[in-house]
Amino acid sequence: DAGVIQSPRHEVTEMGQEVTLRCKPISGHNSLFWYRQTMMRGLELLIYFNNNVPIDDSGMPEDRFSAKMPNASFSTLKIQPSEPRDSAVYFCASSLTQDSYEQYFGPGTRLTVT
Amino acid sequence: AQSVTQLGSHVSVSEGALVLLRCNYSSSVPPYLFWYVQYPNQGLQLLLKYTTGATLVKGINGFEAEFKKSETSFHLTKPSAHMSDAAEYFCAVSESRDDKIIFGKGTRLHILP
Repeated sequence: DAGVIQSPRHEVTEMGQEVTLRCKPISGHNSLFWYRQTMMRGLELLIYFNNNVPIDDSGMPEDRFSAKMPNASFSTLKIQPSEPRDSAVYFCASSLTQDSYEQYFGPGTRLTVT
Repeated sequence: AQSVTQLGSHVSVSEGALVLLRCNYSSSVPPYLFWYVQYPNQGLQLLLKYTTGATLVKGINGFEAEFKKSETSFHLTKPSAHMSDAAEYFCAVSESRDDKIIFGKGTRLHILP
């Protein structure tokens, strides 16, 4: 099992540019979660999907952030336009059911916005 | 709303000594409680979980945690620290099996030789 796959692993971009982060959940898992981790705020849940449908997006910081899950094997988190305060590590996690404690995390994408 | 407080952002223990990482939670209903571990440059891994039943739960790598309702605590312990235990540990709470998890800010564990 390849685990949760995220790409890219590192992204450096300039303020104002569009950033797209990608996630491939574990095959067969039907819930997917996007988190953001910073020193100041710790680990924050941004949004989660169940069976490709967004269930709770209350953690999405503002309209510049959007997430999609067009099918069971792929999700994207987009920031447009990006700002320096978006710099963080973004994690994707998946779980077999909506029993959220059995989450499997990807290695993360480290985003730096200059 | 549920919340988690981890006491101490950094904890240092000597190799072979007892590890104790403190976690207190707030929840309006019987909680589900978890500990996750994050090794450098990796995602989080589930270490152990409490849902119902026995209040002392055992996890991987010799860790265990005890749910104490009267103290609203779920402290993580390990009798003898190993160098490989150096990592960041997150306590988390959920109010139902279908709800999202709220993570604490984490405690970085340092092991001294």
